Amino acid sequence: EVQLVQSGPEVKKPGQSLKISCKASGYSFTNYWIGWVRQMSGKGLEWMGIIFPSDSDARYSPSFQGQVTMSVDKSINTAYLQWRSLKASDTAMYFCVRQPGIAVESDFWGQGTLVTVSS
Amino acid sequence: DIQMTQSPSSLSASVGDRVTISCRASQSISNYLNWYQQKPGKAPNLLIYGASTLQNGVPSRFSGSGTGTDFTLTISSLLPEDFATYYCQQSDSTPLTFGGGTKVEIK
Repeated sequence: EVQLVQSGPEVKKPGQSLKISCKASGYSFTNYWIGWVRQMSGKGLEWMGIIFPSDSDARYSPSFQGQVTMSVDKSINTAYLQWRSLKASDTAMYFCVRQPGIAVESDFWGQGTLVTVSS
Repeated sequence: DIQMTQSPSSLSASVGDRVTISCRASQSISNYLNWYQQKPGKAPNLLIYGASTLQNGVPSRFSGSGTGTDFTLTISSLLPEDFATYYCQQSDSTPLTFGGGTKVEIK
């Protein structure tokens, strides 16, 4: 059974750094892209980018380029999304997703990680 | 970026109703159109990909159609568990983009 299990909720202050995780199981981690999707409270879905675990090839949406960093650790089948300096506007739910390719559907979703940034 | 526009943004319907949701792309995307269902507090779930192919395990009352710029999601006979928000997404080119969502509520 394919599963993407994300790390728990986070509460941070503006300016702090953060790294959230997404652990994959039930399939060959290095054969599928892992993407990230943002959902601000009461709002729609925004595709942030994807990374290919086999070689860490990463493609960012222009809206998120330079704002976040995606990475993977193949040894533990885990993908990460990282911020160097959080802003209040980063407050949102973040979902990791599995994608069979670069420009295709997201066929499995993690449960989401709620990030709250508040002073 | 390709802009995706869904209509309506919300609708009220009764159990047993036939429901149609529209999605329009700002440029032709062939059949690279996906539909997701999201229930409150949950992650979205893939319903349809390639405009009309049902994801494994999705009930046959859901169907998708369209090509180019205009697409439709149809629920043939609404069940209580279908009350949710539905999103279209284009996968023709990155960045992938979603429509604004259609909330299906109980009348």
